Amino acid sequence: SQTIHQWPATLVQPVGSPLSLECTVEGTSNPNLYWYRQAAGRGLQLLFYSVGIGQISSEVPQNLSASRPQDRQFILSSKKLLLSDSGFYLCAWSPVTYEQYFGPGTRLTVT
Amino acid sequence: GDSVTQMEGPVTLSEEAFLTINCTYTATGYPSLFWYVQYPGEGLQLLLKATKADDKGSNKGFEATYRKETTSFHLEKGSVQVSDSAVYFCGLRDSNYQLIWGAGTKLIIKP
Repeated sequence: SQTIHQWPATLVQPVGSPLSLECTVEGTSNPNLYWYRQAAGRGLQLLFYSVGIGQISSEVPQNLSASRPQDRQFILSSKKLLLSDSGFYLCAWSPVTYEQYFGPGTRLTVT
Repeated sequence: GDSVTQMEGPVTLSEEAFLTINCTYTATGYPSLFWYVQYPGEGLQLLLKATKADDKGSNKGFEATYRKETTSFHLEKGSVQVSDSAVYFCGLRDSNYQLIWGAGTKLIIKP
């Protein structure tokens, strides 16, 4: 069966510091991968998605970036965090054409 | 473009009450429709889905019927429990295989 991991589970970072969140998927190959952000009490905002290694599509202009160095690894990064980057970050994967499966999320607080 | 509209929350009910969370959509063609649930501090879980008109998705006592004529996919449960307290997201899969999300509806069940 497939599983998706995210780490860290929680993170507190000062403004201006770098960020690296990691997501890995097991038990499948060539998945579509997604990064979402969920602000407190709000809905889901799609940040990036990837259909293959090195292929990243950005949905929202911001100071975040994503990379997919391996088939089942998806990384969300920032060089300098802003207060507005605080939120709950969710990684998801899907088979090529169907529903998405979510990881447990990372709670990021920028202070 | 495609869109999903959910009823605003929070929805507050007493235990054993009947639940309806409204979801309507705008889309070209015949999208697949989904309901996801998010428990506090967790990622999203697929609750149920329907892929064509008149399909009924069901899981854990929840049901939703794909109504093409009214472009709706309302979530229902006959008798809610305190453990059903969560945020519920309605979504559709567009022609590019991306999920379009509703804003989410927070459900609070009081004992």
